[in-house]
Amino acid sequence: AQSVTQPDIHITVSEGASLELRCNYSYGATPYLFWYVQSPGQGLQLLLKYFSGDTLVQGIKGFEAEFKRSQSSFNLRKPSVHWSDAAEYFCAVAPGTYKYIFGTGTRLKVLA
Amino acid sequence: NAGVTQTPKFQVLKTGQSMTLQCAQDMNHEYMSWYRQDPGMGLRLIHYSVGAGITDQGEVPNGYNVSRSTTEDFPLRLLSAAPSQTSVYFCASSWGDGGSYNEQFFGPGTRLTVL
Repeated sequence: AQSVTQPDIHITVSEGASLELRCNYSYGATPYLFWYVQSPGQGLQLLLKYFSGDTLVQGIKGFEAEFKRSQSSFNLRKPSVHWSDAAEYFCAVAPGTYKYIFGTGTRLKVLA
Repeated sequence: NAGVTQTPKFQVLKTGQSMTLQCAQDMNHEYMSWYRQDPGMGLRLIHYSVGAGITDQGEVPNGYNVSRSTTEDFPLRLLSAAPSQTSVYFCASSWGDGGSYNEQFFGPGTRLTVL
C-alpha cells in the first residue's frame, strides 16, 4: 500500500541554521510529491511540488526539496531558518488516484 | 476572493447528535475534499468530490456523509456523533478533477469536540 513516512516528529533548530526535513514514500512508480506547511491554528499552504523533470524543486519562502528515486525520498531543505518558519510541515503524495496521502507531520521549533 | 471558507470554527456536540460542517469555495474548483487531522496521524481523507453530483469515499469515511449539489459547496454531515470523531476537520479544493494533482487550497478548519 502507498504510504508516506516522516520519521522526525519534532525538530528544533536555531535561527539562521540550516534545515532538512525528511520524507520517504512507498509507491511502485514515481508519484506526485508535495510539501505543505501549517502555521498554528491555520489551514495548510503549499510550499512546493514535484511532478517530473528536474529533481531539485524550488518553492516559496526560500524552501527547496530534492527528489531521490533511489532512496524514495523527497526531503525539504532551507539554508537559513527564520523564526517565522516555526510550524508543522507535511509531506504528501498523490499516488495516481484522486486521493492524496499525507505524512504524520514534523513540528519545527526555532530557537532565537 | 474568499478562497475556501468553513463554518463553524468550533463546535461541541453530545454523543448521538448530528450536525453539518459547511465548506464553500469561490474559485470554481471542481475537486473538493474533507480531511480530519488527529495528533500523530497527519491528515486523513474522509470523502472527496470531482464535481457536482460526484462523490467518493476516502480513507476514513465511516460515520460521515457528503453531497455535492453545486460546484461551490461541499458539506460534511455527521449523522450520529461519537467521541472518536473529535478532531479538526479541514476542507480543501483544487483545479481540475483532482486527477491532475494541482495544489490544494485549504480552509481554516473546524475544531469539533464530541462529549
